[in-house]
Amino acid sequence: DTGVSQNPRHKITKRGQNVTFRCDPISEHNRLYWYRQTLGQGPEFLTYFQNEAQLEKSRLLSDRFSAERPKGSFSTLEIQRTEQGDSAMYLCASSDVPLNTEAFFGQGTRLTVV
Amino acid sequence: QKEVEQDPGPLSVPEGAIVSLNCTYSNSAFQYFMWYRQYSRKGPELLMYTYSSGNKEDGRFTAQVDKSSKYISLFIRDSQPSDSATYLCARGGDKLIFGTGTRLQVFP
Repeated sequence: DTGVSQNPRHKITKRGQNVTFRCDPISEHNRLYWYRQTLGQGPEFLTYFQNEAQLEKSRLLSDRFSAERPKGSFSTLEIQRTEQGDSAMYLCASSDVPLNTEAFFGQGTRLTVV
Repeated sequence: QKEVEQDPGPLSVPEGAIVSLNCTYSNSAFQYFMWYRQYSRKGPELLMYTYSSGNKEDGRFTAQVDKSSKYISLFIRDSQPSDSATYLCARGGDKLIFGTGTRLQVFP
């Protein structure tokens, strides 16, 4: 197992365009998380899944953001009508342990909206 | 008030120094705390986690939780230039909640 995989690693898009990111968690991990990180800040929670069920969404996740995890395997995060304020690193993490004692992160997708 | 507070630094120390990194947390309902290391433009890497109060040691790293003062600490012994990174503390639970991270630079 090579760990949590995120694609693409970098994405540059024009304001107003839609973008989609993919996360492949560590196999057999039933929890999957999405975070957003801006320069000089810690990761901010966006949403998480237990298998295919989306259990919680942060108020940071506006209507333009949607996440899915079909069949409880990989997950996608879509941002519609991107804005410059969406520029950030989007991180995915997975865990098979409750309480997040061992949650492992991917390398992130760096989004730049121009 | 943020749930987990962390001094952003930067903290600059000479090679071989003992480094102390600290966080405070506000919600005493949570029992698990984690430390992650993040190199520039990379994802966070789990260093260790601790439960409730007490110490946990792993090589040159020691994590400590003091529930009475709601204080989380990470000590790095014999610091190396390769330890230069941002260190993130987090509380566990249904989701991880992070501090802002402390940037550490260890110079030769």
